[in-house]
Amino acid sequence: AQRVTQPEKLLSVFKGAPVELKCNYSYSGSPELFWYVQYSRQRLQLLLRHISRESIKGFTADLNKGETSFHLKKPFAQEEDSAMYYCALNKAAGNKLTFGGGTRVLVKP
Amino acid sequence: EAGVAQSPRYKIIEKRQSVAFWCNPISGHATLYWYQQILGQGPKLLIQFQNNGVVDDSQLPKDRFSAERLKGVDSTLKIQPAKLEDSAVYLCASSFRGLSYNEQFFGPGTRLTVL
Repeated sequence: AQRVTQPEKLLSVFKGAPVELKCNYSYSGSPELFWYVQYSRQRLQLLLRHISRESIKGFTADLNKGETSFHLKKPFAQEEDSAMYYCALNKAAGNKLTFGGGTRVLVKP
Repeated sequence: EAGVAQSPRYKIIEKRQSVAFWCNPISGHATLYWYQQILGQGPKLLIQFQNNGVVDDSQLPKDRFSAERLKGVDSTLKIQPAKLEDSAVYLCASSFRGLSYNEQFFGPGTRLTVL
């Protein structure tokens, strides 16, 4: 069965500092990985997916199949990045997401 | 376009009572999902509908939870009878299709407290 692990419950960084959110997964097939974000009083929304290989709001994530990881990075954190971040995995066939437990990011001024 | 709508936003009930949640997906979205998010955890899929048919309900506690999407549009999720451990946020999501990846759009959720 697939599993997604986000080892950090809380990350606190200062504005302008780099931030990296860790995500590890277990899945025997070829997965699709995503990062979802939930800002305060807003809905859960897609931030980025590994297939698109794009940078969204300065965030990037690289899928490392050898280490089964999909860490999210941003070189210079901004206060508006404060939110809950969830890593999610979709099996190659179907559209059913398995979410990690989430990491709360707090960017201090 | 209008997003996924859910009601009520909050519900407080006593254990052993019944409760129902309603979801209206984005217009034209064939696939609808119900997730349960317990405090401190990520969302967990309970059931997935494709139009009015169930695609996956493997994680739905069927002894007390039921869901329907009779006309392939809006959906209701019911808990009868509720237990303390059912306290959670219930999220509804929809996507255009469900057979391969399509972005899922989430509603605001219903926060259920069981006393």
